[in-house]
Amino acid sequence: GAGVSQSPSNKVTEKGKDVELRCDPISGHTALYWYRQSLGQGLEFLIYFQGNSAPDKSGLPSDRFSAERTGGSVSTLTIQRTQQEDSAVYLCASSTNGGANTEAFFGQGTRLTVV
Amino acid sequence: GENVEQHPSTLSVQEGDSAVIKCTYSDSASNYFPWYKQELGKGPQLIIDIRSNVGEKKDQRIAVTLNKTAKHFSLHITETQPEDSAVYFCAAINFNKFYFGSGTKLNVKP
Repeated sequence: GAGVSQSPSNKVTEKGKDVELRCDPISGHTALYWYRQSLGQGLEFLIYFQGNSAPDKSGLPSDRFSAERTGGSVSTLTIQRTQQEDSAVYLCASSTNGGANTEAFFGQGTRLTVV
Repeated sequence: GENVEQHPSTLSVQEGDSAVIKCTYSDSASNYFPWYKQELGKGPQLIIDIRSNVGEKKDQRIAVTLNKTAKHFSLHITETQPEDSAVYFCAAINFNKFYFGSGTKLNVKP
């Protein structure tokens, strides 16, 4: 596609429910990143994929958070038993191969509100 | 791991003035330093970047400088315009991971 696409753009869910956030990276980009941005805050790293594998999951805040990537393309971030503190904008980015000298392009984000 | 610090957190300038945002990093292995602009309700957009083998890069009104010895890099915006108002993030890339600064909210007053 022309850019990184995320869906849904907005999600309101009840506390305790599970949610799935989707990221469609730019075609051909092997590296994919998930970040979380709380209101007025900076970008918090969650997980990094190279192809279908996740060499760095160090940013996932708890075992309620998981992510997968299939076919080296689409990625899904799943949050189980959502809590109010999970409310944030979840941003996805992709780059050609990760690392130095590779520009990362961000999607518009999914705004998650847990009520 | 890498630690990126960004200053100031807010910056207010008059239209036409220059704005400077500064970042420091801790790990000398970091070798790519992009800057992102984030407008309200949108994802961050890459505006300029610099690699560790370059000291300065300019693109129209935007320039970035890098001092590897001191481990700091800066964003310079000249002749600021109201549409430059946004949050700006610096980042350092280290072992395939982007480490972001905490952001600078730039307000350009007409």
